[in-house]
Amino acid sequence: AQTVTQSQPEMSVQEAETVTLSCTYDTSESDYYLFWYKQPPSRQMILVIRQEAYKQQNATENRFSVNFQKAAKSFSLKISDSQLGDAAMYFCAYRSAGNSGGSNYKLTFGKGTLLTVNP
Amino acid sequence: DAGVTQSPTHLIKTRGQHVTLRCSPISGHKSVSWYQQVLGQGPQFIFQYYEKEERGRGNFPDRFSARQFPNYSSELNVNALLLGDSALYLCASSLTFRGNSPLHFGNGTRLTVT
Repeated sequence: AQTVTQSQPEMSVQEAETVTLSCTYDTSESDYYLFWYKQPPSRQMILVIRQEAYKQQNATENRFSVNFQKAAKSFSLKISDSQLGDAAMYFCAYRSAGNSGGSNYKLTFGKGTLLTVNP
Repeated sequence: DAGVTQSPTHLIKTRGQHVTLRCSPISGHKSVSWYQQVLGQGPQFIFQYYEKEERGRGNFPDRFSARQFPNYSSELNVNALLLGDSALYLCASSLTFRGNSPLHFGNGTRLTVT
């Protein structure tokens, strides 16, 4: 079974600074997808960024970028120019592509990292 | 376009009771998934439905059941409620069941069992 580990329960960053959230995962599959979701106090899970495992190029979405290290099974999220609105719980998640018998119908989440942005 | 809508927003039930949670997917989405999020934890997968068929089930007891209707909306039912069922229940929809089809989540239903 796949597992996702987020080793930082809480992180803080100054407004306009850069912060990196860590995520590692365990899988025997070669084809899968990795996600970062943001959950503000409104409770809605919002997709921040997605990475396909077969792509070597790291995904980027505006101020958000990832460092995907497939061999190390590491998938960190970098937030540049942090804004007050970035404050939220961030979850790393794994989803099988289903090509090697894995369960592609579910996301496996880590326990989350609470990000605080200080003005 | 409206996002994923869930009802009710909050619910308080007593141990042993039954509860039904409802979810309407984004228009055009044919897959609905349910997740349970206990306070301080990441969401745990409960069910996925696609075209009214169950495609996957997580490690939850038979007290949990779900169904998907012809309009692709879905219900999650929980019987014989336990205190441990208190959680945020999230519904997510996607175009297909495939792994590359992003999940779009609703705001959840907060269930409190007393």
